Amino acid sequence: DAGVTQSPTHLIKTRGQHVTLRCSPISGHKSVSWYQQVLGQGPQFIFQYYEKEERGRGNFPDRFSARQFPNYSSELNVNALLLGDSALYLCASSPRQGPLNQPQHFGDGTRLSIL
Amino acid sequence: QQQVKQSPQSLIVQKGGISIINCAYENTAFDYFPWYQQFPGKGPALLIAIRPDVSEKKEGRFTISFNKSAKQFSLHIMDSQPGDSATYFCAASKGQGAQKLVFGQGTRLTINP
Repeated sequence: DAGVTQSPTHLIKTRGQHVTLRCSPISGHKSVSWYQQVLGQGPQFIFQYYEKEERGRGNFPDRFSARQFPNYSSELNVNALLLGDSALYLCASSPRQGPLNQPQHFGDGTRLSIL
Repeated sequence: QQQVKQSPQSLIVQKGGISIINCAYENTAFDYFPWYQQFPGKGPALLIAIRPDVSEKKEGRFTISFNKSAKQFSLHIMDSQPGDSATYFCAASKGQGAQKLVFGQGTRLTINP
């Protein structure tokens, strides 16, 4: 079975531009989470979506938004890009919401570079 | 209270030795503690996870030890191999609300042949 797939793998943008990153979860997984990983640090939680609804949001500005589609795939959008947005953006999927924490499986990420 | 502190930042172990990575947390609401392995250019891969109702979990060469009273947990890699060279992250999350993983800062492990 295919794992979590993300596209594109690499992206170069300039300051002020907008970017859309895409994620397809593992088949049968209904929860998708987004994380930002700056070089040399652990991933930081951005959003979680389950059944097309936002279930959690991390400490990120409103320039960051996301959505989940009926087929459980997801998009992360970032507006007005800043140099500090350069990072690896990771998507993770898990089977369901709870009540116990579900194992989260990560894709290989999108490497976003802002010039 | 949301932080997870991981040590050491880097670790060098001889082939066949035991690699030990430690993590500490403050938030007593955390109830799920996974470890991830990340190779360069790849996403984190789930290695092993533990819930606080057990003190130890073993899967192959990987063991998590959990000390609830001290709010600490550790990863032991037995018979470490050069292929284990990677960055390891501990994480923690709460069962209620969003499935938000809080990650440690990472440990860069090098296994010398």
